[in-house]
Amino acid sequence: DAKTTQPPSMDCAEGRAANLPCNHSTISGNEYVYWYRQIHSQGPQYIIHGLKNNETNEMASLIITEDRKSSTLILPHATLRDTAVYYCIVSSNTGKLIFGQGTTLQVKP
Amino acid sequence: EAGVAQSPRYKIIEKRQSVAFWCNPISGHATLYWYQQILGQGPKLLIQFQNNGVVDDSQLPKDRFSAERLKGVDSTLKIQPAKLEDSAVYLCASSPGTGLGFGQYFGPGTRLTVT
Repeated sequence: DAKTTQPPSMDCAEGRAANLPCNHSTISGNEYVYWYRQIHSQGPQYIIHGLKNNETNEMASLIITEDRKSSTLILPHATLRDTAVYYCIVSSNTGKLIFGQGTTLQVKP
Repeated sequence: EAGVAQSPRYKIIEKRQSVAFWCNPISGHATLYWYQQILGQGPKLLIQFQNNGVVDDSQLPKDRFSAERLKGVDSTLKIQPAKLEDSAVYLCASSPGTGLGFGQYFGPGTRLTVT
């Protein structure tokens, strides 16, 4: 079973920041938090991952709480092309990904 | 840099027939994964290779599914015989290594329909 909990769906206005929450209260000390997204009819796309510290790349920012029990993926300026299912995954020590249902983000004009 | 390549993109077969899918990972990626994604669900790992060795095949239905990665590069996934419930998208992914801290990069998938 997936070790994360995400809201099933969210809406965001185009041009605004999209903040996608994820709970992972049972995460262990050496497990990473990964975010992937899947645009309709495509394979999942890696976005970002982190262990303890906040991370930022050209796609998004990842904010991890100090106790590591939750995190937030931030898309700073959402566009219509960001409409997708976003998966938050806690990875085992083999790198195995267990996908849950994810959050369907709908970016609206 | 070329991404993960998969073929065919679509396949329709009748139940009890056989089918094979091919994957070419990103150059230099040691780890290769096959996932099954049923409509409306997240992908489920079927098998993970590190070079040409199997790391995890605990979710692979071994009575009908088989996979190989003979030279540690390309991989094939076979289903024989197919059942209706095998209708799904089969995704291949690759990663620079096994373990924490590596992202996986996915191909476009093969959509299988079993009639």
